[in-house]
Parts: sequence; structure tokens; C-alpha cells
Amino acid sequence: DIQMTQSPSTLSASVGDRVTITCRASQSISSWLAWYQQKPGKAPKLLIYKASSLESGVPSRFSGSGSGTEFTLTISSLQPDDFATYYCQQYNSHSPVSFGGGTKVEIK
Amino acid sequence: QVQLVQSGAEVKKPGSSVKVSCQSSGDTFNTFATSWVRQAPGQGLEWMGGILPIFPTTKYAQKFQGRLTITADKSTSTAYMELSSLRSDDTAVYYCATGSSWYADYWGQGTLVIVSS
Repeated sequence: DIQMTQSPSTLSASVGDRVTITCRASQSISSWLAWYQQKPGKAPKLLIYKASSLESGVPSRFSGSGSGTEFTLTISSLQPDDFATYYCQQYNSHSPVSFGGGTKVEIK
Repeated sequence: QVQLVQSGAEVKKPGSSVKVSCQSSGDTFNTFATSWVRQAPGQGLEWMGGILPIFPTTKYAQKFQGRLTITADKSTSTAYMELSSLRSDDTAVYYCATGSSWYADYWGQGTLVIVSS
């Protein structure tokens, strides 16, 4: 199975900060990468698919980039509602799906 | 808009099996991939496996091979996840999730499975 490594595991930031989360795949996954946001006690919410496509209804301050093995999720100006845990997920059709370990974005 | 409704919480003994259902609304069930994802208390998301009913195609994470069975009933638009030989570390919230590819636009409400003697 393809291994996904996220960094950092925890991130402390303030409202208005630019935040970047990195996800690395153990082998090339082209652009088959999604990003999710999860809040405590809730199901995850899709933010980005195909590495850089913004899901309908997701604020434009969220963006994704990358291809191959290295990907980033950027929040251009952190808002109070953005404090949550973020996960990357690869969905290469030739392999089982897998998630990264998660990045918790905390209030600084 | 797709809605996924999962079956209720379960308490199981070690060594037993659990079967969780996930019923989908709308007309996308056959052509959307449905995955099962679990989350142990305080831990991250873990993809277990999934099914694309139209072919049908199933995929499983290597960790669950031999212990996990995912099926789909197209007549009722319901997917099932059965996990056998349960252990205490299988205690988790189990989610079904679906989308036009193997990422998930839509998620069920989650089903808590507790494994305890």
C-alpha cells in the first residue's frame, strides 16, 4: 500500500496567518490526492480533490498544489472556523486508498 | 445531494464479527465508489476498503485482507462492511463515504463499534 506522510503533525497559528501543510507519498500518485478537514465529533469534509480542485462551497482561501509525491494544502488567511485537523488522502486507482496521519491546526 | 445513513452502534465480544450497513439516497449508488473509513478514539482516519457496485470492484487495505468483507446490495442501495475476528483495538467509529472517484464527497454519520469482553 502507498504510505502518506503529513507534516507537521501539529501547527500553532493565529487568525490571519498563512498556513501550509505538506503531504508526501511513498510513490508517485500523479494528482490523485484529496484534502479533508475534520472537527471533533464530526465526519470529515472534503476540501480539495485531484490535488488542486476546490470542492464546491469551500472558501477560496483554501488551495492545493503538487503532483507526483509532494503536495501542499495552503490556507491563505486562517479564520476562526479553520481550527481543525486536516488529512490528505491518495486515491490512485491502481492501489488501495490511504490517508496521511493528520495535521492539527491549533490556536497560537 | 447524496445522504448516507448508517446502522446503529454495536457492542461486540473479542473474536466475534460485526456487520455495519450504509444506505444511500439518490441515484448514484451504482456508479459511485463507497469506502469504509474508521477512526479509533483520539486517532486519525484509516481507510479500510471500498466497493464500486457497477462492476463490481472491491479494494481492501492490506492490513484488513482476510478479515474484512465489503458488499453492496444494488436493489436497496446499501453497502455493508463486515469485520471478523474482532479485537479490542478494533474499537472505533466506522464511517461509510462515497464519491464519483475514490475520494469522498459524502459521509455517513458514523457507527460506533465497541469491542469488549
